[in-house]
Amino acid sequence: DVKVTQSSRYLVKRTGEKVFLECVQDMDHENMFWYRQDPGLGLRLIYFSYDVKMKEKGDIPEGYSVSREKKERFSLILESASTNQTSMYLCASSLVRTQETQYFGPGTRLLVL
Amino acid sequence: AQKITQTQPGMFVQEKEAVTLDCTYDTSDQSYGLFWYKQPSSGEMIFLIYQGSYDEQNATEGRYSLNFQKARKSANLVISASQLGDSAMYFCAMREVSTGGGNKLTFGTGTQLKVEL
Repeated sequence: DVKVTQSSRYLVKRTGEKVFLECVQDMDHENMFWYRQDPGLGLRLIYFSYDVKMKEKGDIPEGYSVSREKKERFSLILESASTNQTSMYLCASSLVRTQETQYFGPGTRLLVL
Repeated sequence: AQKITQTQPGMFVQEKEAVTLDCTYDTSDQSYGLFWYKQPSSGEMIFLIYQGSYDEQNATEGRYSLNFQKARKSANLVISASQLGDSAMYFCAMREVSTGGGNKLTFGTGTQLKVEL
């Protein structure tokens, strides 16, 4: 069974803190993705990676960075959290050689105070 | 320009009835893929159904079917015999090639479906 896990379901941080969101998949998928979801805006792609140490900016990369040192792990980093980064963050992964259906983790609800 | 458009922010349907959730898309690619995901109140995104642009038959998965009209660029989701557990947010998404050559999904804004007794 496909399994994508995220390190926290809920997180509360203060403005200016450095925040790490971790995502791990156990399906040997090449592609991994980070989205944020806000009411009325749907899911917006922040960054994605199609190989270890490879990354590509999505639609809203400002204020975020990512790290992929191992195939199974993709980290999203908020260098200096701001209140407008309060959101639901969803991680996903997909296999290249299929229709590339993305499988999602349970999400992390981040509140920045 | 918006690439995936879901014009229905909310829909109500009675239990056991069929419901159609609308999705239109915009692309100049010949090869693309369309997906529907369900997001219950718990938050996880559940893959429902996929349609490839070259697939001649409309995709079906159990009670879900995708009404694919290529010329009209629409990919509506049809849920037959609605159940209370179908109450959720539904997202339409399109796979497209990024500037770096990788594939990514672009999502619509979603339709909130409420199934009533």
